[in-house]
Amino acid sequence: DQQVKQNSPSLSVQEGRISILNCDYTNSMFDYFLWYKKYPAEGPTFLISISSIKDKNEDGRFTVFLNKSAKHLSLHIVPSQPGDSAVYFCAASTTTSGSRLTFGEGTQLTVNP
Amino acid sequence: ETGVTQTPRHLVMGMTNKKSLKCEQHLGHNAMYWYKQSAKKPLELMFVYNFKEQTENNSVPSRFSPECPNSSHLFLHLHTLQPEDSALYLCASSQFPGASGTDTQYFGPGTRLTVL
Repeated sequence: DQQVKQNSPSLSVQEGRISILNCDYTNSMFDYFLWYKKYPAEGPTFLISISSIKDKNEDGRFTVFLNKSAKHLSLHIVPSQPGDSAVYFCAASTTTSGSRLTFGEGTQLTVNP
Repeated sequence: ETGVTQTPRHLVMGMTNKKSLKCEQHLGHNAMYWYKQSAKKPLELMFVYNFKEQTENNSVPSRFSPECPNSSHLFLHLHTLQPEDSALYLCASSQFPGASGTDTQYFGPGTRLTVL
């Protein structure tokens, strides 16, 4: 039973446009959400996070939105750059689960020049 | 060296071999993790170590044997693996063991394992 799902395996956007990556979860106990980015031959790197007490968190070109009622979060990248091309993983945790993260399958983002 | 390093980066082994994966973190963290990523699947947590003590084993088969001699080093000993164990094995570390899920994990580049 996969508790975190990223239903789009890939996304292609033009440079300068907005990239929107989506993630859905089923466990209502999740209260902290993260996005990681992974380049080929490298490990995932932390990008941005959001606590369930918020519905938006912004860091430069990256904004994460959380809709708790829909159990849905999204990552917006504006403007998209070719260097953003990578696999993006959504992850979730609970404050009672210690350091356990539950990951989605990942979405391959390609930003075309 | 900075961050989290893993060796070897690639490993091919037969089902009867014994090999070990090594992870080292240079971040002064106190928790270390092993993850497995199979093709087209999410990262799966395998083991968690906090202050060198194993605190989580996510129902991993005994052919995978972790070892954490200190907070900076983590090993994964492999023996009699199966072809379906072929995957990317990622090591991670974080600063505050047992903290809430807000403790950011930092990943190494992974070891690509192929079992023939």
